[in-house]
Amino acid sequence: DTAVSQTPKYLVTQMGNDKSIKCEQNLGHDTMYWYKQDSKKFLKIMFSYNNKELIINETVPNRFSPKSPDKAHLNLHINSLELGDSAVYFCASSPSLAGKETQYFGPGTRLLVL
Amino acid sequence: GENVEQHPSTLSVQEGDSAVIKCTYSDSASNYFPWYKQELGKGPQLIIDIRSNVGEKKDQRIAVTLNKTAKHFSLHITETQPEDSAVYFCAAPRAGSARQLTFGSGTQLTVLP
Repeated sequence: DTAVSQTPKYLVTQMGNDKSIKCEQNLGHDTMYWYKQDSKKFLKIMFSYNNKELIINETVPNRFSPKSPDKAHLNLHINSLELGDSAVYFCASSPSLAGKETQYFGPGTRLLVL
Repeated sequence: GENVEQHPSTLSVQEGDSAVIKCTYSDSASNYFPWYKQELGKGPQLIIDIRSNVGEKKDQRIAVTLNKTAKHFSLHITETQPEDSAVYFCAAPRAGSARQLTFGSGTQLTVLP
């Protein structure tokens, strides 16, 4: 019955590797997001998608490539991982792109780049 | 976030006391202000929100107040309990992009038994 799920929960990898994080929501929402939370707990949006279409792309390095195969899934692929990519990545969803609706967050993926 | 300032960054209170967290925003057109609670090892979860047509909203021990003139809003937790210990985030629509929320820097609340 999990609303927003992410896999994997933990990811430890070497610098230079490529990795993917998957996200799925079963709430029937149209909009999905990726956030990055650094070690100081600062929460910053990276991308948002609405019905599979990219809406927001913050100043994120192009090593990060989101993909939305359908509106229930939003995956994040990261190429050539760097130490500074270590963080917790949260997927979230909301009913629409209205901006005044509850965002439902997943449990997070803890990425550690060595 | 660039247009949402949150204070304090850490707050410790004795069980049963009240806790207040304050946020200021820069865009006078903002009209939606949610508060999220993040427990250890979990994702943030909405606990209360307020829209600009009201000045205060309560839900049991939690209340949010909004001062549009001063452009600040506050979270009030009364009769705090140990399970209130968490990181709390305020948020507001990003200036120039009402479709996007900007989050405050978070407040680590610790309720001491």
